[in-house]
Amino acid sequence: TQLLEQSPQFLSIQEGENLTVYCNSSSVFSSLQWYRQEPGEGPVLLVTVVTGGEVKKLKRLTFQFGDARKDSSLHITAAQPGDTGLYLCAGGSQGNLIFGKGTKLSVKP
Amino acid sequence: DAGITQSPRYKITETGRQVTLMCHQTWSHSYMFWYRQDLGHGLRLIYYSAAADITDKGEVPDGYVVSRSKTENFPLTLESATRSQTSVYFCASSDVTDDQPQHFGDGTRLSIL
Repeated sequence: TQLLEQSPQFLSIQEGENLTVYCNSSSVFSSLQWYRQEPGEGPVLLVTVVTGGEVKKLKRLTFQFGDARKDSSLHITAAQPGDTGLYLCAGGSQGNLIFGKGTKLSVKP
Repeated sequence: DAGITQSPRYKITETGRQVTLMCHQTWSHSYMFWYRQDLGHGLRLIYYSAAADITDKGEVPDGYVVSRSKTENFPLTLESATRSQTSVYFCASSDVTDDQPQHFGDGTRLSIL
């Protein structure tokens, strides 16, 4: 069974701090996606990475896919209260999309 | 507006009752999915469909039934609801293949008393 482990599960920081969220697996994925979910809403796709070592930037968010395509990280620079939410990673492999359990981020003003 | 719509948004029912959750998408995506989201478990796939009249089981299919007579609709039925099926249910769709990015509805919060 393929699993995606996300860490930390919970993160509470002050506005302006930097943070990194991790998504790890022992399995290789053909692609990896990051979603953000706000209360009362469905997850919304932030980015997809497909190449080992790939780095993508979305404003203050930097996403990296591991060289072996087994792990990924999300780094947020100068976090803002609007970044608050549940961050989910999801890996694509053999026709399935496997979701991690998420990191719940709270950014306090 | 194009998108994916779930109804109802909230539902309270009793054990043993049948309940159907609706999902409608306007993108003409081939793939559609049903997930449940519970604390400590994350998103778990219940059923998915690759096209009209083609459905397949996911990780937690027991107690659920799906159908897909039209590409745009993918209803989920709980034939005899149990308290363990209290959850938030999300429908999603994607284009082409089933490991491509998925577009989610806003969910149905289902409580079974």
